[in-house]
Amino acid sequence: EAQVTQNPRYLITVTGKKLTVTCSQNMNHEYMSWYRQDPGLGLRQIYYSMNVEVTDKGDVPEGYKVSRKEKRNFPLILESPSPNQTSLYFCASRRSGALETQYFGPGTRLLVL
Amino acid sequence: KQEVTQIPAALSVPEGENLVLNCSFTDSAIYNLQWFRQDPGKGLTSLLLIQSSQREQTSGRLNASLDKSSGRSTLYIAASQPGDSATYLCAVTTGANSKLTFGKGITLSVRP
Repeated sequence: EAQVTQNPRYLITVTGKKLTVTCSQNMNHEYMSWYRQDPGLGLRQIYYSMNVEVTDKGDVPEGYKVSRKEKRNFPLILESPSPNQTSLYFCASRRSGALETQYFGPGTRLLVL
Repeated sequence: KQEVTQIPAALSVPEGENLVLNCSFTDSAIYNLQWFRQDPGKGLTSLLLIQSSQREQTSGRLNASLDKSSGRSTLYIAASQPGDSATYLCAVTTGANSKLTFGKGITLSVRP
């Protein structure tokens, strides 16, 4: 089944404790991206990747890192999480080309205490 | 900077009603427009994708139209059902990085 998977789905952590949210897609998509969703603010792009080893900042990259060493994986790294990073995070992927549909993962709900 | 607006933020209708959800965007230089459905606490499901060269797309009881020049799209839901209750998000793809810019969504409640 074609899908985007994220792990973990739920995470409670404390300020400053490094964490990684994994994202994997099995559709051989070139383009992958991370979004966060907050009440009243909607979905905003954090980082995106056009292909392996090619990443760039979205609208709200502060406090996040990403890497794209393999085509199928695009992990989101929070080196020193803070409470303002409490949010619902979505990973998405699509084939290269702006006309393609984006497919979203199920989301990761993060609470930073 | 592209901005996407969806008004109203919430809508409640009786079952069986035909309804229209509106979306507007400020920059008409889009590649496409996509409508998504999001159930509470869940991910996003793509409903319809309209390319910039198209005027509308249909899937079952859903019909989405696009007027790129005026910066508007509508999602028409025929014969609404309680199972249609969800948040509907509109998003446009624009820019050199072909980024999706989302509206804040319309939360629809269909009363039995």
